[in-house]
Amino acid sequence: GQSLEQPSEVTAVEGAIVQINCTYQTSGFYGLSWYQQHDGGAPTFLSYNALDGLEETGRFSSFLSRSDSYGYLLLQELQMKDSASYFCAVKYYGNNRLAFGKGNQVVVIP
Amino acid sequence: GAVVSQHPSRVICKSGTSVKIECRSLDFQATTMFWYRQFPKQSLMLMATSNEGSKATYEQGVEKDKFLINHASLTLSTLTVTSAHPEDSSFYICSARDRSGGGGETQYFGPGTRLLVL
Repeated sequence: GQSLEQPSEVTAVEGAIVQINCTYQTSGFYGLSWYQQHDGGAPTFLSYNALDGLEETGRFSSFLSRSDSYGYLLLQELQMKDSASYFCAVKYYGNNRLAFGKGNQVVVIP
Repeated sequence: GAVVSQHPSRVICKSGTSVKIECRSLDFQATTMFWYRQFPKQSLMLMATSNEGSKATYEQGVEKDKFLINHASLTLSTLTVTSAHPEDSSFYICSARDRSGGGGETQYFGPGTRLLVL
């Protein structure tokens, strides 16, 4: 089956670094995606890992280890606008179905 | 980048009525669209996969007769919530898969439709 676990909430100051972890129990998937969602908005794509290792996209980086069934999203140089919920999602083979984790709310304070 | 629209963005209806939500891919063709539901402070839950020209595939626990999905063209999928009840009040989000996509990120989300059933 599939299960994606994420911690629930973290508060950090502007300029700080936050790591959001994601563990999963599934197999046979393309890769791990990360999405950001502001209150009342739709998810926006942040990053995707098809292979093990680190993917860097500006202030955001994402990591995947298939052998450890683990991934993380790293938010650097936090800004107030980064206050949002962050979801990991596994993309399955076949029709690219996405299974989302429970999400992690990040609150950035001055 | 690719754009997906949803209409309406917000709807309030009386209990027992039916509500239709449209999802359109504006600048690409989508053979597959997905419908999600999100309750407050919770994650997105996949309801069904909408396939152009064929029947939708529903996730376990989602009533296909209550949530009717039609994917009549490569750019439009509709979700109809039939005989809506207050517990159906939620944020409904669609996503569309770019036809040319492979294993990479080719799924684009619409802005969502907030449904309130009184």
